[in-house]
Amino acid sequence: EAEVAQSPRYKITEKSQAVAFWCDPISGHATLYWYRQILGQGPELLVQFQDESVVDDSQLPKDRFSAERLKGVDSTLKIQPAELGDSAMYLCASSKGLAGADTQYFGPGTRLTVL
Amino acid sequence: KQEVTQIPAALSVPEGENLVLNCSFTDSAIYNLQWFRQDPGKGLTSLLLIQSSQREQTSGRLNASLDKSSGRSTLYIAASQPGDSATYLCAVRPSNDYKLSFGAGTTVTVRA
Repeated sequence: EAEVAQSPRYKITEKSQAVAFWCDPISGHATLYWYRQILGQGPELLVQFQDESVVDDSQLPKDRFSAERLKGVDSTLKIQPAELGDSAMYLCASSKGLAGADTQYFGPGTRLTVL
Repeated sequence: KQEVTQIPAALSVPEGENLVLNCSFTDSAIYNLQWFRQDPGKGLTSLLLIQSSQREQTSGRLNASLDKSSGRSTLYIAASQPGDSATYLCAVRPSNDYKLSFGAGTTVTVRA
């Protein structure tokens, strides 16, 4: 069964360093999402792509976060510089159609710890 | 803004007991509601998706009901097993938006 791939699975970094996460959605899925999940809370949407276009990045802290999906396939989420409050699980998900109407399939996540 | 609440935050039951997990939401104008399972340190797995026009969905031992007017959904897991131990989250898509609003989840422990 096709899965969403994410790497790395774990990342430990120091404050003010740059980090990058990679996501490869299920083949043929047009919509890709990046979520942040703080321990004990539900995921919060950071950015959503429809093919290579950003549909929503209203919750993305644009002064330090950036995301791209250049060819409408895989995606990279970057944080520069990382802050202590960025420690969280970063989840990538994909769906076949436009958001909300279809089931979202989640990857295993990247656990980020900022020291 | 849609607020999604799941109470209790955690529960522990003996194996074989039926599980009842609750999800409440503040705005009844929803497009659909999903239940997800999350194992420790892992991503989310979709369990059931209920469209706003539906009252319930079933998959194996899982049954989810939806009452839009009262802003509630319930996930029933029959004859619980230790392998059902996980965190269960519900997520609501409003009818006028595409973003999912998640609850914080209920962490379930099934004791052997």
